[in-house]
Amino acid sequence: AQSVTQLGSHVSVSEGALVLLRCNYSSSVPPYLFWYVQYPNQGLQLLLKYTSAATLVKGINGFEAEFKKSETSFHLTKPSAHMSDAAEYFCAVSVNAGGTSYGKLTFGQGTILTVHP
Amino acid sequence: GAGVSQTPSNKVTEKGKYVELRCDPISGHTALYWYRQSLGQGPEFLIYFQGTGAADDSGLPNDRFFAVRPEGSVSTLKIQRTERGDSAVYLCASSLRGTFTDTQYFGPGTRLTVL
Repeated sequence: AQSVTQLGSHVSVSEGALVLLRCNYSSSVPPYLFWYVQYPNQGLQLLLKYTSAATLVKGINGFEAEFKKSETSFHLTKPSAHMSDAAEYFCAVSVNAGGTSYGKLTFGQGTILTVHP
Repeated sequence: GAGVSQTPSNKVTEKGKYVELRCDPISGHTALYWYRQSLGQGPEFLIYFQGTGAADDSGLPNDRFFAVRPEGSVSTLKIQRTERGDSAVYLCASSLRGTFTDTQYFGPGTRLTVL
C-alpha cells in the first residue's frame, strides 16, 4: 500500500523568504503525486501534479515541486513567500495498482504554513 | 462554472441518530469520491463512484456508512446510529473520468458533530 509523509506539521517563514514543504512517499509502483492547498473554510484546491512527464512541475501561485525517485520525495517550493500563501498544504499520492482504485488519493497529514510580515 | 457543492455545511446531531450528507459534483464528471478529514489529519478515502456504481467502497469504516449515487450525479452519504467518533469534516470530490492523473475537485465539506 502507498503512503505519504509530510515532515513538519507547522512551517513558519517571513514574507519574501523561501518556502519549502517536504513530502516523501512510499509506493511499490510508480506514483502520481499531487499538492493541494486548503484555505480556512474552503475546499482543497490543486496546486500542481506530477504525472510521469517532466520531473519539475510548475503550479499555480508561483509554486513548483520536483519529483525525485531516488529520494522518494516530492517537495513543494516557492522562492518568495507572500502573506496570501498562509494555508494548510497537503501532499497526496495516487497509484495504478490495478483493480478498481482509480484515482483514489492517499494524503499526508498536512503542513500548516504561517507567513510573518 | 459551478464547482462541487455540499450540503449542509454544518450538521450537529446526537449520538444514535441518522444523518445524510449531500454532494453535487461538477456537471459532466463521471467520477465522485468521498473522503473524511478528522481534526489535524489529512483526508482519508471512503468510497469512489464511477457513474451510478460504487466501484470501490473499501474505505467505509463499517456497515453504518452507506453512499448512493442513483442517477450518476448527486451523491448522498448516509450514516446510521452515529457515534461521537464519526465527528469529522466529510469531503466530496469529483473528476472528469476517474483516472489516476485526473484532477479531483473538492467541495467545501460538511462538518459533522456528533454530541
